[in-house]
Order: sequence, then structure tokens, then C-alpha cells
Amino acid sequence: GDSVTQMEGPVTLSEEACLTINCTYTATGYPSLFWYVQYPGEGLQLLLKATKADDKGSNKGFEATYRKETTSFHLEKGSVQVSDSAVYFCGVAGNQFYFGTGTSLTVIP
Amino acid sequence: DVKVTQSSRYLVKRTGEKVFLECVQDMDHENMFWYRQDPGLGLRLIYFSYDVKMKEKGDIPEGYSVSREKKERFSLILESASTNQTSMYLCASSLQSGWGAKNIQYFGAGTRLSVL
Repeated sequence: GDSVTQMEGPVTLSEEACLTINCTYTATGYPSLFWYVQYPGEGLQLLLKATKADDKGSNKGFEATYRKETTSFHLEKGSVQVSDSAVYFCGVAGNQFYFGTGTSLTVIP
Repeated sequence: DVKVTQSSRYLVKRTGEKVFLECVQDMDHENMFWYRQDPGLGLRLIYFSYDVKMKEKGDIPEGYSVSREKKERFSLILESASTNQTSMYLCASSLQSGWGAKNIQYFGAGTRLSVL
């Protein structure tokens, strides 16, 4: 069945460092791919999405590119801020929706 | 904007109590979901519903039941709360079933339940 594997955390970075959180998926057909963010004490919010191969989703300085050849959707940001500290979830939507286990990011000043 | 509202942010209950967690969405979505979130385990699907009065078991339905009497409301019921049900509970909704973007899930803020 469909599944999502994302990089385990926790990840700790200094402010202005580069971020990459890896996400790979297995799915039949042509799923849509998502990243969600969960700030402390809150629910999940959709951060970005891509609905077909080679699409790039972007929001708040984060980007992820739908790579069908490597079945990946890695989340990247060139310069993180303290306010980016949160848990990030990768998701795949085929005939059902599947989430990764989440990656906790802490950005220190 | 889609709004998913969970009735309580924090709840404290005693072992053996019957607990109701309420969730309301305002965008006429067909599908609604209940998850629990625990450290190191990510999100685990408890139950979901794709229509009024319809329900499907998720990955961990034991000890829980649900009710969907109206399209906008999806209730999670703990018949007899136990300490191992202490967790963060998240409700979500999506427009429709089917492939791709229609499956985008929108989440409530969560209910942190403590069972003592």
C-alpha cells in the first residue's frame, strides 16, 4: 500500500542555516504530495503542495519539488528563522491520505 | 478559509468516564477524520467518515467510537476512558474522496486529553 517515509529528527539548526528534510513515498499512480507544519500547541497547517511530477510547491520561503523518478518530495529552506521551529509532516494523497511520522525542527538564535 | 473547530483545547477526565470530543467544519466537506498524536508515533487514524451516518475504522479504533449525525459534525467518543488514551486528538476534514488534491486535509487546533 501507499506509505511515506521522512527523515527522523529532532533537527536543531542555528538561525540562517539551510534546511533539508527528506521525504520519500511509495504510491501507485500519480498521487499529490504535501508538507504540513505543526507549531507548538496547534493543529497541522498545510504548508505547500504539488500535484504532478516536477511541480514545485512553495510557501513562506520553503520549497519542495515533486520528483517522480526518485519518489521524493524533500522540504528545503535556504535560511531558517527561530519562528520556523515546529514539527513538519510529509503527506501523500493517492486513493487515501498518508502522513509521515513528523520531523521536529528547533532553530536556535 | 476552511475552518475546523474542536470544542475543547484541553480536557482532564478520570478513568472510566465517558468522554465526548466534538469537531465541526464549516466548508461542507464530505470526509471527516479523527487522529491521535503521540510522541514518536506521529499521527494515527482512529476513525473516519465519508458521509453522514457512515463511519470506517482506521488503524487504532479500539476503545473509541464515533458519531456523525450531521455533515458538519463528527464526534469521537471514549466509552470508558483509560490512562493510555491520554493524548493529543486531532480532527480533520477533506472535500471529497478520490485522487489527489481533493484529499487535502484541514485540521482543527487539537484537543489535549489527560486521563487520570
